[in-house]
Amino acid sequence: DAGVIQSPRHEVTEMGQEVTLRCKPISGHDYLFWYRQTMMRGLELLIYFNNNVPIDDSGMPEDRFSAKMPNASFSTLKIQPSEPRDSAVYFCASSPHRGADYGYTFGSGTRLTVV
Amino acid sequence: GDSVTQMEGPVTLSEEAFLTINCTYTATGYPSLFWYVQYPGEGLQLLLKATKADDKGSNKGFEATYRKETTSFHLEKGSVQVSDSAVYFCALRMNSGYSTLTFGKGTMLLVSP
Repeated sequence: DAGVIQSPRHEVTEMGQEVTLRCKPISGHDYLFWYRQTMMRGLELLIYFNNNVPIDDSGMPEDRFSAKMPNASFSTLKIQPSEPRDSAVYFCASSPHRGADYGYTFGSGTRLTVV
Repeated sequence: GDSVTQMEGPVTLSEEAFLTINCTYTATGYPSLFWYVQYPGEGLQLLLKATKADDKGSNKGFEATYRKETTSFHLEKGSVQVSDSAVYFCALRMNSGYSTLTFGKGTMLLVSP
């Protein structure tokens, strides 16, 4: 299994531009999570999906952020327009089932820099 | 709500020293408990887990025991290596509804030769 695959690994963009981050979860995992990690705020859960349906997006910081999961093997996190304070590492993770016995498998992350 | 508290870092040790990273939790029921490790420039990796009281999780020389009476899940290793330098996250997940992992803030470990 290739694990959770995120792209791109690094993204540098100018303020005001649209940014799209991509994630391919592990096949058969029906939970998908998007996290943001910064030095100041640590790990923040932005949104998660179950069977492609968004369950909780209360962590999405602003309307500039949106996430979709059009099918079981692909999800995107979009920021439009981007701002310098959005600079962070964004992680995608997936998990099988809802049971507490299961942890998450994380991707390697996308390091976003907005200048 | 549910929460996880970890000791603040960085924890600085010499190679072959004994490691303890404290983790306590607050939860309304009986969660499963996890330790994740994040090496520089990488994502979080599951290190070990325990799903019920008195269970011991172990992996790569690390151990942690689920102590219900003290609501703790301290991470230990008998002899650390330079390659263990990383950030360690304690987390819990409840066995109810759409449960998600609740993470602690992370503890950085720095091991010097």
